[in-house]
Amino acid sequence: QVQLQQSGPGLVKPSQTLSLTCAISGDSVSSNSATWNWIRQSPSRGLEWLGRTYYRSKWNNDYAVFVKSRITINPDTSKNQFSLQLNSVTPEDTAVYYCAREPVGGYWYFDLWGRGTLVTVSS
Amino acid sequence: QSALTQPASVSGSPGQSITISCTGTSSDVGSYDLVSWYQQHPGKVPKLMIYEDSKRPSGVSNRFSGSKSGNTASLTISGLQPEDEADYYCCSYAPSRSYVVFGGGTKLTDL
Repeated sequence: QVQLQQSGPGLVKPSQTLSLTCAISGDSVSSNSATWNWIRQSPSRGLEWLGRTYYRSKWNNDYAVFVKSRITINPDTSKNQFSLQLNSVTPEDTAVYYCAREPVGGYWYFDLWGRGTLVTVSS
Repeated sequence: QSALTQPASVSGSPGQSITISCTGTSSDVGSYDLVSWYQQHPGKVPKLMIYEDSKRPSGVSNRFSGSKSGNTASLTISGLQPEDEADYYCCSYAPSRSYVVFGGGTKLTDL
């Protein structure tokens, strides 16, 4: 059974960096078919796709335009996990952050989600 | 304002059928067979219900079906059951925007 286990702090100060990790069990971050995504949800902005990482002979990343200057998603093959870093956060970045699997890259649906991490940006 | 437009709420009674619409543009919903639908109960994780416009994942009830006409995708739930009361979100590939966009969600109530 494939599972995604999220970890990371629930409180981040403004201007600092939000960091979350998603550990994968039952699949591989190096899969040649799946992609590994971060999606967030807030009452004011709804669901927003942030970006993804995937391996196709080499590592690739795609990021949403509205966060492209602030986001990094990295794979960690030694731990079979991937991470999210979002720099220079503001209260607008307060949301529940989910990691999610796109089982077949290019089809843009997400069949497996982590449990979500509520991240509050506040001093 | 979300990229895809959904009605804020839809109501139904047990046993009835309802349809939730999801309107995009000719650059996203209308150009690709890549609309997916998610069910989310309060405090829970979104669950994939439909992908590639009309395909149903293993384990999802055949009471859920998806379709599309032009720039509008639809999710139909037949034989409504109390456990169907939830929020429903559509999602579409949108290469002219940020790869993928979501609708604002529709609350299914009165079950």
